[in-house]
Amino acid sequence: DTEVTQTPKHLVMGMTNKKSLKCEQHMGHRAMYWYKQKAKKPPELMFVYSYEKLSINESVPSRFSPECPNSSLLNLHLHALQPEDSALYLCASSQAKDTQYFGPGTRLTVL
Amino acid sequence: GNSVTQMEGPVTLSEEAFLTINCTYTATGYPSLFWYVQYPGEGLQLLLKATKADDKGSNKGFEATYRKETTSFHLEKGSVQVSDSAVYFCALRGSTDKLIFGTGTRLQVFP
Repeated sequence: DTEVTQTPKHLVMGMTNKKSLKCEQHMGHRAMYWYKQKAKKPPELMFVYSYEKLSINESVPSRFSPECPNSSLLNLHLHALQPEDSALYLCASSQAKDTQYFGPGTRLTVL
Repeated sequence: GNSVTQMEGPVTLSEEAFLTINCTYTATGYPSLFWYVQYPGEGLQLLLKATKADDKGSNKGFEATYRKETTSFHLEKGSVQVSDSAVYFCALRGSTDKLIFGTGTRLQVFP
């Protein structure tokens, strides 16, 4: 089983809202990732968690706040977003430095 | 630094035609190479991978061979179907957790 699940599938939020994206995997992977993908572009890495610790932050604005409560879960907390943050947010997981498996994504629209 | 270059799209083919999508890379050391596919409105799915020189990855009729001498990992399929219409991303992973993506190639297959 190589399934990564993400909720919600779609999210519309205002610039003053606080919301969270959730990601879950049960493959025993110890690395989890958040990517942002704009239309017709490849995914851009945002954060990497390795063994539940933040190992890479690609200079992402503080209005995006990641959290890894345990080895199976990854959250992305959103606050005071801008319309240009509208995108597809993808979660992925892997065994250390091995193949990354992606979830279906959350389509975020910021009004 | 590491980089991936893909041929520009869209690639437009008739059903049962032969497909080649070119991918070349620049990397230090011995990267792993991947092809991911993204169907409309979905996340990325791993299509195939190769982890060392001369390895051939294959899946669902698609193939790609890791050519170190030409630093290439071209994707091929002998007979495409309408259902293969999607965006294809070539990617490499070096010694870190980061995946480096190409820009993506859109494939459109018509009946």
